[in-house]
Amino acid sequence: KQEVTQIPAALSVPEGENLVLNCSFTDSAIYNLQWFRQDPGKGLTSLLLIQSSQREQTSGRLNASLDKSSGRSTLYIAASQPGDSATYLCAVNTINQAGTALIFGKGTTLSVSS
Amino acid sequence: GAVVSQHPSWVICKSGTSVKIECRSLDFQATTMFWYRQFPKQSLMLMATSNEGSKATYEQGVEKDKFLINHASLTLSTLTVTSAHPEDSSFYICSARDQHSTFISEQFFGPGTRLTVL
Repeated sequence: KQEVTQIPAALSVPEGENLVLNCSFTDSAIYNLQWFRQDPGKGLTSLLLIQSSQREQTSGRLNASLDKSSGRSTLYIAASQPGDSATYLCAVNTINQAGTALIFGKGTTLSVSS
Repeated sequence: GAVVSQHPSWVICKSGTSVKIECRSLDFQATTMFWYRQFPKQSLMLMATSNEGSKATYEQGVEKDKFLINHASLTLSTLTVTSAHPEDSSFYICSARDQHSTFISEQFFGPGTRLTVL
């Protein structure tokens, strides 16, 4: 059974710091991996999607890497800003009885202080 | 593009009543939609996968007679929580897969519905 773990559960940093969020998964048989952002009481915003054949994806100050064989992904945020404060969720797309399913980690709650 | 809406955004109901939540893909056709539930401080848990025109596939532990899912068109899926109880209070989020997406199984998420059962 696929399990996704995110470390740390919470992180507080001053504005301007570069930071790394970690995600690990137990089964390397995945289609892709996505990083999402969730603001309190809100839905999900997709940040980056990495296909299983890819090693990394970049969007602005965000960079996500994927090492499928070791079951790990990292989300790198450069020059953090207070507006980056949110919960970041990692999810792997894997096979289930209905076809495919996203399995989520519990998230890392980031707080960036000004 | 790829916008998914949910209605209502929040609902409060009495124990024993039924509540219907709608999920719509606004600018694309979705042959497959997904329903998730998120309890406070917890991750999103997939409840069921619905395919247009067929019965939904429920995840283990999810009561199909309690959580009725209908996916009658390529742009609309509904989740009905029947005989709701306080333990059903949660944040329900839907997602939809664009049938024309170039990415395998990319899903687009709605804003969620906060259900509170008194």
